[in-house]
Amino acid sequence: AQKITQTQPGMFVQEKEAVTLDCTYDTSDPSYGLFWYKQPSSGEMIFLIYQGSYDQQNATEGRYSLNFQKARKSANLVISASQLGDSAMYFCAMREEEYGNKLVFGAGTILRVKS
Amino acid sequence: SQTIHQWPATLVQPVGSPLSLECTVEGTSNPNLYWYRQAAGRGLQLLFYSVGIGQISSEVPQNLSASRPQDRQFILSSKKLLLSDSGFYLCALGGWGLKGLAGYEQYFGPGTRLTVT
Repeated sequence: AQKITQTQPGMFVQEKEAVTLDCTYDTSDPSYGLFWYKQPSSGEMIFLIYQGSYDQQNATEGRYSLNFQKARKSANLVISASQLGDSAMYFCAMREEEYGNKLVFGAGTILRVKS
Repeated sequence: SQTIHQWPATLVQPVGSPLSLECTVEGTSNPNLYWYRQAAGRGLQLLFYSVGIGQISSEVPQNLSASRPQDRQFILSSKKLLLSDSGFYLCALGGWGLKGLAGYEQYFGPGTRLTVT
């Protein structure tokens, strides 16, 4: 079974609007972490935000927030006030302590911001 | 802060030729190092990781190998390239104890785009 599922291959959003990118995960490890990365067309992988499984509050970093619903095993990324520079591929990833803290990545979602 | 260098940036190699991709890091010591491959339009696949000099763990059986001859150097090699080895190769560092890391996040180098013809 896939560890990380990103069901949206592509998304469009109007500039200045908010957008939610979906991510669901599968693990039996009680200690895990969830990450979002951005990959622009240049190919670099940019770390955006992190949520630990024991964190009580949803993580936020500037315009990025992570909507963490532990019971549903979902970790959606919310980008507020979208900008043209947000157009990129976005990857959700999970770290499991049980598996040596390696990261497992989802297939990604391409986000296009329209002006 | 940590810096990751990868070279070459792009590479075109014929099938059957050898390969050597290098990754070096600055600004940290004893990091965990990782090699990923990304096929066109796809997610990242972990190939190898290393927790120290000479310590290599392989994630996917293939004709690639990795070595870590120095603390801050990680090399990806192949004796004979296959067409299926084409892709974008990313080196990453991470691990608990690195300054600025909250949860084992990994930081990536600029990548090497390999085309096998």
